[in-house]
Amino acid sequence: AQSVAQPEDQVNVAEGNPLTVKCTYSVSGNPYLFWYVQYPNRGLQFLLKYITGDNLVKGSYGFEAEFNKSQTSFHLKKPSALVSDSALYFCAVRDIFYTGRRALTFGSGTRLQVQP
Amino acid sequence: KAGVTQTPRYLIKTRGQQVTLSCSPISGHRSVSWYQQTPGQGLQFLFEYFSETQRNKGNFPGRFSGRQFSNSRSEMNVSTLELGDSALYLCASSQGLAGRTDTQYFGPGTRLTVL
Repeated sequence: AQSVAQPEDQVNVAEGNPLTVKCTYSVSGNPYLFWYVQYPNRGLQFLLKYITGDNLVKGSYGFEAEFNKSQTSFHLKKPSALVSDSALYFCAVRDIFYTGRRALTFGSGTRLQVQP
Repeated sequence: KAGVTQTPRYLIKTRGQQVTLSCSPISGHRSVSWYQQTPGQGLQFLFEYFSETQRNKGNFPGRFSGRQFSNSRSEMNVSTLELGDSALYLCASSQGLAGRTDTQYFGPGTRLTVL
């Protein structure tokens, strides 16, 4: 079975500082990894995904994520946080051997709070 | 392109009633998935439809059902509502042609409250 762990319920960072939101995964094969962001009373917005290739993936709104196969991690990063980045972030995985199933397995979410 | 739309946005029902939620995917997308989001259980997969056929189902009781129409629009139905069904129900659409590399795009959700 596949699973995703987001070890931090909340991350606090000052505006202008770099931010990292952590994610580790467990799958039986090679993973497809995704990051989504959720603002209050909104659905999930797609940020970026890792399929194959370069371990550093660039996405929307200046976010990037680093895939590390040996550590089974896919941490979300941004060089300079904005107050408007404050939201709930979800990491998700789709197992390459999970034949025919497009469903994503989500982590529990990490609330990012950026202080002015 | 218009995004995924869900109607209604908010619903209040009482225990024992049934409810139908609607989802219109992004134009050209053929796969629609449904998820339930609650504070306690997080995001959980309900089911997925592709070309009017249910392709996968999560671990939910039979009270939860769905269907997809020829225009890819989808509905989900919950019968005999329970208090624990109170949640944000999210619909996600994807092209459905890229298999496991598909990106799912989510709608704003329907907030269901069961009293």
